[in-house]
Amino acid sequence: NAGVTQTPKFQVLKTGQSMTLQCAQDMNHEYMSWYRQDPGMGLRLIHYSVGAGITDQGEVPNGYNVSRSTTEDFPLRLLSAAPSQTSVYFCASSYSSSSGGQETQYFGPGTRLLVL
Amino acid sequence: AQKITQTQPGMFVQEKEAVTLDCTYDTSDQSYGLFWYKQPSSGEMIFLIYQGSYDEQNATEGRYSLNFQKARKSANLVISASQLGDSAMYFCAMREGLNNDMRFGAGTRLTVKP
Repeated sequence: NAGVTQTPKFQVLKTGQSMTLQCAQDMNHEYMSWYRQDPGMGLRLIHYSVGAGITDQGEVPNGYNVSRSTTEDFPLRLLSAAPSQTSVYFCASSYSSSSGGQETQYFGPGTRLLVL
Repeated sequence: AQKITQTQPGMFVQEKEAVTLDCTYDTSDQSYGLFWYKQPSSGEMIFLIYQGSYDEQNATEGRYSLNFQKARKSANLVISASQLGDSAMYFCAMREGLNNDMRFGAGTRLTVKP
């Protein structure tokens, strides 16, 4: 059971380049999310998904795209990287409790992205 | 307006003592969830404890307990018998309603002194 995996661990991009951050989970969780963490701050939600084929925007979605074709995978795409997107990116997954809401969220190890 | 407020940027505690990390939240939903996470210097996010808005009992997980005061909209984390390994950033977070939209506080850096 690998939990939540993210690749790459570290990436340097030039302004305007595009790339995809990969996220996978093997726990059959319905919910998956992407967050960014800027220095000295908490996490901010970028996009999330409540199941395959369903995605929605979070607090800071601009400049990012997501898709969820399978339960396991939830890639995050940067269409045209900007220095303001320099951050640490975390992917997370969770199951829904009997009440319908998530109770435990498992995080991946994070991807450090530097945009020059 | 801030949904989650952590007013203590930094806290110090002596090893083996208890410490309380404050968290207040703002929501008009009746159904919500409150979470605490630990982030050590290595950077990973570690889930500690969860409290549902309808849970009547305060959540406990080992040395962690959540002091849930619904009327005051506070969800303070209590760590008993602090250990050196507890030194880390601690984040409070809230999920409103039944969606997956989580909001995090700015965090509290806890330092445990020997």
